[in-house]
Amino acid sequence: EAGVTQSPTHLIKTRGQQATLRCSPISGHTSVYWYQQALGLGLQFLLWYDEGEERNRGNFPPRFSGRQFPNYSSELNVNALELEDSALYLCASSPGVGRGDNQPQHFGDGTRLSIL
Amino acid sequence: AQSVTQPDIHITVSEGASLELRCNYSYGATPYLFWYVQSPGQGLQLLLKYFSGDTLVQGIKGFEAEFKRSQSSFNLRKPSVHWSDAAEYFCAGNSGGYQKVTFGTGTKLQVIP
Repeated sequence: EAGVTQSPTHLIKTRGQQATLRCSPISGHTSVYWYQQALGLGLQFLLWYDEGEERNRGNFPPRFSGRQFPNYSSELNVNALELEDSALYLCASSPGVGRGDNQPQHFGDGTRLSIL
Repeated sequence: AQSVTQPDIHITVSEGASLELRCNYSYGATPYLFWYVQSPGQGLQLLLKYFSGDTLVQGIKGFEAEFKRSQSSFNLRKPSVHWSDAAEYFCAGNSGGYQKVTFGTGTKLQVIP
């Protein structure tokens, strides 16, 4: 069974640009979560999607947005990039709402976003 | 507020020594609790999970954790640490009802020969 896959592995952008990060969940999982892991700040929850809808959002500005596609894959978009957006962005998936709310999340290896 | 706390930022142990990583939780009811491990530059791997029942939970890679309601703790243990266990460890909790998972700030484990 394939795990959670994220692309690209690394992404280098400059201030003001826009970045798009992609995530494919484990087959059969409908929930996708996005986290930001900046140096020294731990995992910060960004977004949670299930069945194409945004279920919850962390304390991030609106320039962080995303969507979930009918095949349950997801995109995270970050507009007007700032230096402090440099971080490892992790995607996780779980079976989803109505399929056991206590199921753990399974993580991808992340996208390293560097802002120059 | 619902939270998970890892009081130790960094721990150093000798190879072959026992290990205990601390995790305290603050939830109104018994939460669902997890331990994850993260190697440098990689994602998080689930070590073990606690939902209910037996308070001693066995996980992968020889790890175990014990849920103690009286102490609001869910500490991770391993009887004999290997050099390959050097990584960052995250405790996480979920109150159920489709609420988001809360992660602790992590404990970085260093293993010395």
